[in-house]
Amino acid sequence: RKEVEQDPGPFNVPEGATVAFNCTYSNSASQSFFWYRQDCRKEPKLLMSVYSSGNEDGRFTAQLNRASQYISLLIRDSKLSDSATYLCVVNPSNDYKLSFGAGTTVTVRA
Amino acid sequence: EAGVAQSPRYKIIEKRQSVAFWCNPISGHATLYWYQQILGQGPKLLIQFQNNGVVDDSQLPKDRFSAERLKGVDSTLKIQPAKLEDSAVYLCASSPTGSPSNEQYFGPGTRLTVT
Repeated sequence: RKEVEQDPGPFNVPEGATVAFNCTYSNSASQSFFWYRQDCRKEPKLLMSVYSSGNEDGRFTAQLNRASQYISLLIRDSKLSDSATYLCVVNPSNDYKLSFGAGTTVTVRA
Repeated sequence: EAGVAQSPRYKIIEKRQSVAFWCNPISGHATLYWYQQILGQGPKLLIQFQNNGVVDDSQLPKDRFSAERLKGVDSTLKIQPAKLEDSAVYLCASSPTGSPSNEQYFGPGTRLTVT
């Protein structure tokens, strides 16, 4: 079983719509969780960290469900510029390594 | 603040040839990572340096890949000899410390094609 699994999508949504997707992780001892964004043929960039209580950054909301071992990302009022691949990233054990999922592709259309 | 620099940006080689990539991390970042990202997959950690020491190279194919960070600043990753399956983007990242809670800052990557 992969350490981090994501629905690859693509999620095709119109501007202004809400889109949400999950990521599951295999190690219940995982400590840190992040969403990174990767534009086509670009490098990954940190979008937001995911905290146990859930957190929001503008139109983006991240949730963590430790019992079911998944994290989610919700994008409200989608913009064309939100089109990207969203990488779920997990620290699978209490060390320094990060495991990246394969990414969920979101395409926002006008 | 200057970001992570990598060169070359693109490289095409034939199988069994050798190739080297260079990375200069953000100034002051003690931790440097090399990742391999195959098309359609997430980045996979190859090696992590803390200053000039190796913290983890468990996923580095040591029969053909080598990496060094001699002065604790810039780093090189070498493949010798290359195989077709090495075709990927090689990403360098840095962070202030090795803490997993730290953001990792990625360079633009080197896109390697092995023919």
